[in-house]
Amino acid sequence: NAGVMQNPRHLVRRRGQEARLRCSPMKGHSHVYWYRQLPEEGLKFMVYLQKENIIDESGMPKERFSAEFPKEGPSILRIQQVVRGDSAAYFCASSPQWPTGGWADTQYFGPGTRLTVL
Amino acid sequence: AQSVTQLGSHVSVSEGALVLLRCNYSSSVPPYLFWYVQYPNQGLQLLLKYTTGATLVKGINGFEAEFKKSETSFHLTKPSAHMSDAAEYFCAVSPEGGKLIFGQGTELSVKP
Repeated sequence: NAGVMQNPRHLVRRRGQEARLRCSPMKGHSHVYWYRQLPEEGLKFMVYLQKENIIDESGMPKERFSAEFPKEGPSILRIQQVVRGDSAAYFCASSPQWPTGGWADTQYFGPGTRLTVL
Repeated sequence: AQSVTQLGSHVSVSEGALVLLRCNYSSSVPPYLFWYVQYPNQGLQLLLKYTTGATLVKGINGFEAEFKKSETSFHLTKPSAHMSDAAEYFCAVSPEGGKLIFGQGTELSVKP
């Protein structure tokens, strides 16, 4: 069973360009979380999605950032008009069901996408 | 607001020595607690998880953690460190399930 897949693993963008980060959850998982890890910091929650629904976006910056998880295909985190402060590692995690605190909803993390903004 | 504090951003132990990584949390409701490990340039791997029941939780690679409600702590221990344990360790809380709130992380170094 393949794990959570993220691509690209490394992404370089110039200021003002758009960045698109993709996440394919584990097979059978319908819940996706995005986290951002800034240099020398821990991971910060950004958004929680179920297919075609945003469940919790309390950690998303108000501007330039958006996320989706369509019925078919991977989840996409989109950053418009990137700035140097967006340089970070972006991690996606997936779980099979609604969070209930049990082991069945454990979050499994992908390898991350490391975004560098020049 | 829920938060997690990891005491010590860097911990160094000798191979074979006890590993103790400290984690304290703040939560207004009984939390779900986690420890994750991150090796360089990789994603996070779950070490162990506390939800309910037994307060001493055993995880992978010989790690365990004890939930102490009175101290709001969830410290991670391993009796004997191995070189392969060198990594960054993150404590996290999920107050009601769902999103994880992470501590700042503790980088563990293991000296031969």
